[in-house]
Amino acid sequence: QVQLQQSGAELARPGASVKLSCKASGYTFTSYWMQWVKQRPGQGLEWIGAIYPGDGDTRYTQKFKGKATLTADKSSSTAYMQLSSLASEDSAVYYCARGAGTDYWGQGTTLTVSS
Amino acid sequence: DIQMTQSPSSLSASLGERVSLTCRASQEISGYLSWLQQKPDGTIKRLIYAASTLDSGVPKRFSGSRSGSDYSLTISSLESEDFADYYCLQYASYPWTFGGGTKLEIK
Repeated sequence: QVQLQQSGAELARPGASVKLSCKASGYTFTSYWMQWVKQRPGQGLEWIGAIYPGDGDTRYTQKFKGKATLTADKSSSTAYMQLSSLASEDSAVYYCARGAGTDYWGQGTTLTVSS
Repeated sequence: DIQMTQSPSSLSASLGERVSLTCRASQEISGYLSWLQQKPDGTIKRLIYAASTLDSGVPKRFSGSRSGSDYSLTISSLESEDFADYYCLQYASYPWTFGGGTKLEIK
């Protein structure tokens, strides 16, 4: 069965970078786009971008260009999102989700940015 | 970017009641719309894709429809497990965009 297992909660300092992971199983990793979504506490869902692991093609929403960098490791079927120059507004839950229309979702990773 | 205007933002309803949520797209999305359910523990599940196709295992009390640029999710008879947050998502073109969400609460 399809599973997306995300990495554990992170606590990071302002100005630092963090790399979140999403390990896929139960399907051909290289055949589906992987989406990344942000949710601030008490807020709605916000699309960050997507990566196609088959060829590394990426898409980003303008707001996250320079903030988020999406990569994928085909050997481990793992997608990554690096967030740089962290600030308090980056504190959120981050989700990965598979494919067009997002048929499967990870459980989310909570990122807390605090000094 | 395509704007998805979701209404209502909150809804209070009783068990057994029929409810409908709507998303209006600012541009043509040709039915490339999903409905998502988020439970209080953060778990997100897709209910409907392509505007009206029910995902496998989703109860038949959920349905999706389209009228022009308006997309609706209807729950025919609310059950206790349906009280959650709901979001629409357009995936017709990048950047994908979500509706603002609807919080469905028990009356």
